[in-house]
Amino acid sequence: GAGVSQSPRYKVAKRGQDVALRCDPISGHVSLFWYQQALGQGPEFLTYFQNEAQLDKSGLPSDRFFAERPEGSVSTLKIQRTQQEDSAVYLCASSLGGLAVSSYNEQFFGPGTRLTVL
Amino acid sequence: GENVEQHPSTLSVQEGDSAVIKCTYSDSASNYFPWYKQELGKGPQLIIDIRSNVGEKKDQRIAVTLNKTAKHFSLHITETQPEDSAVYFCAAEVVTNAGKSTFGDGTTLTVKP
Repeated sequence: GAGVSQSPRYKVAKRGQDVALRCDPISGHVSLFWYQQALGQGPEFLTYFQNEAQLDKSGLPSDRFFAERPEGSVSTLKIQRTQQEDSAVYLCASSLGGLAVSSYNEQFFGPGTRLTVL
Repeated sequence: GENVEQHPSTLSVQEGDSAVIKCTYSDSASNYFPWYKQELGKGPQLIIDIRSNVGEKKDQRIAVTLNKTAKHFSLHITETQPEDSAVYFCAAEVVTNAGKSTFGDGTTLTVKP
């Protein structure tokens, strides 16, 4: 079956441009996560959705970062006025259940979008 | 918040040898500890996990141990093979925190044929 897919796989933006990164989670997965992975480091949590509700956005680094999941499936991470420090791989992960369903849900990661800001 | 430290940052072993990666965490509320393998150009993939109510878990050549008192956990790979070469990440999570994992900085494992 299909896993988590992300597009584009690579994005080059000029400083100040807006970008939109797309995540298609595994069908039926309730939870969706965005992580930012800088070169040589582990992923860092950005935000979490349960269905269409954004329950935690504590990891978003600034108000230039915005995420949505309007219909509870596909999610988009938008970065406005990109800066060089935004250069990283952005990972999306989904898991089967939310808090009310089960604990210890395995997260399935997509391949990531590598963003380079010049 | 949670802080996870991972050692070593790089590890090189001969094929057939064992590899051990160690992590420490700071938040005593953490109760779920997954390990991920990340290959070049791919996202992390869960290889094994352990919950706080057990001290050890094994799956074929891979095992994980957890010491809650000392707040550290380790990944053990036996009979390493070249295809085990990848970056390995440990993570810690408070399960009621909606799957919000804190990751270590990774260990680059190289298995020499």
